[in-house]
Amino acid sequence: AQTVTQSQPEMSVQEAETVTLSCTYDTSESDYYLFWYKQPPSRQMILVIRQEAYKQQNATENRFSVNFQKAAKSFSLKISDSQLGDAAMYFCAYRSANQAGTALIFGKGTTLSVSS
Amino acid sequence: DTAVSQTPKYLVTQMGNDKSIKCEQNLGHDTMYWYKQDSKKFLKIMFSYNNKELIINETVPNRFSPKSPDKAHLNLHINSLELGDSAVYFCASRRDYSYEQYFGPGTRLTVT
Repeated sequence: AQTVTQSQPEMSVQEAETVTLSCTYDTSESDYYLFWYKQPPSRQMILVIRQEAYKQQNATENRFSVNFQKAAKSFSLKISDSQLGDAAMYFCAYRSANQAGTALIFGKGTTLSVSS
Repeated sequence: DTAVSQTPKYLVTQMGNDKSIKCEQNLGHDTMYWYKQDSKKFLKIMFSYNNKELIINETVPNRFSPKSPDKAHLNLHINSLELGDSAVYFCASRRDYSYEQYFGPGTRLTVT
């Protein structure tokens, strides 16, 4: 069974600084997706960024980028130029690409606080 | 227009009651899901349906029964509610061969 581990329950960063959230996963599959989701206090789940396992290039979305190390099964999220609105809980998630109906497997989340 | 909607958003009920949470998606997606987020914010899949067929049925008490009357709807019925059922329940949907899941706003269920 696949597992996702986020080892940092809480992180903090100052505005305009950079922070990296860690995620490791375990799988025997070769074809899968990895995601970072943001959950602000409104509890809405917001997709931040995704990575296809077959792509070597790290995904980037504006201030958000990932460091995907497939052999090490590591998938960290870097937030650059942090903003107050980035404060939220961040979840790393895995999904198999092999079948219809496959679901996300989440890590336990990292609470990010941003100070001015 | 809301892509994935859930009703109600908040539900407070007493132990032993039966309740339902409804989910609708207007995206034409093929797969719908129910996830549970517990008090520690841990998110876990409960069920998934693909074209009205049950695909994932995780180890949840059989007091929980999903029902998919059509591709656009996936309802969750819970019998004999217990204190431990208190959680936020998220509905989500996804198109086959697409990467992104769209989440509903969640339903906060409180059992007293």
